[in-house]
Amino acid sequence: AQSVTQLGSHVSVSEGALVLLRCNYSSSVPPYLFWYVQYPNQGLQLLLKYTTGATLVKGINGFEAEFKKSETSFHLTKPSAHMSDAAEYFCAVRKPRSNTGNQFYFGTGTSLTVIP
Amino acid sequence: DAGVTQSPTHLIKTRGQQVTLRCSPKSGHDTVSWYQQALGQGPQFIFQYYEEEERQRGNFPDRFSGHQFPNYSSELNVNALLLGDSALYLCASRGGSGAYNEQFFGPGTRLTVL
Repeated sequence: AQSVTQLGSHVSVSEGALVLLRCNYSSSVPPYLFWYVQYPNQGLQLLLKYTTGATLVKGINGFEAEFKKSETSFHLTKPSAHMSDAAEYFCAVRKPRSNTGNQFYFGTGTSLTVIP
Repeated sequence: DAGVTQSPTHLIKTRGQQVTLRCSPKSGHDTVSWYQQALGQGPQFIFQYYEEEERQRGNFPDRFSGHQFPNYSSELNVNALLLGDSALYLCASRGGSGAYNEQFFGPGTRLTVL
């Protein structure tokens, strides 16, 4: 079974500070991993994804994440927070190449607040 | 490209009623998935449609049903509404058979059950 745990339902950072949003997964096989962002009253937008290959992936808006198999983690980081980064962030996993389940499993989300 | 569109944006129903939500996938996409996002929670997978058939289903009761049309658009139907069905319903589409194909989400329909 696939599951995702996001540590910290609320994270506050000062503008210009490092952003670190944590995600740990549980999966019977190495999954595909995703980070989505959701702004108020909007759908989800893909920030970045890991499927295979390089474990450090770069996404939009200066975000990046590193897949660490030994830690079953896929933490999202950004070196310098901007006010426009304030949003809800969701980590998700998906089984690779599965005939029985290629649906996404989402974490409960982390609300990021950026303090001026 | 309009992306994934959903209608209506907001809906208010009373317990016991039935509701139909609609989704048009991104151009070129043939697979549509529906998710329920309760307040303060992550999206939960309801089901997925491909070639006009339900291909996968999450842990949702039979009150939740769907349909996909030849033009790949889709409907989500919920019967005998409960208060707990109040949520944001998200539609997502993807296309092609590639293993890495990305899923694009619509803005959602906010359903309130009174």
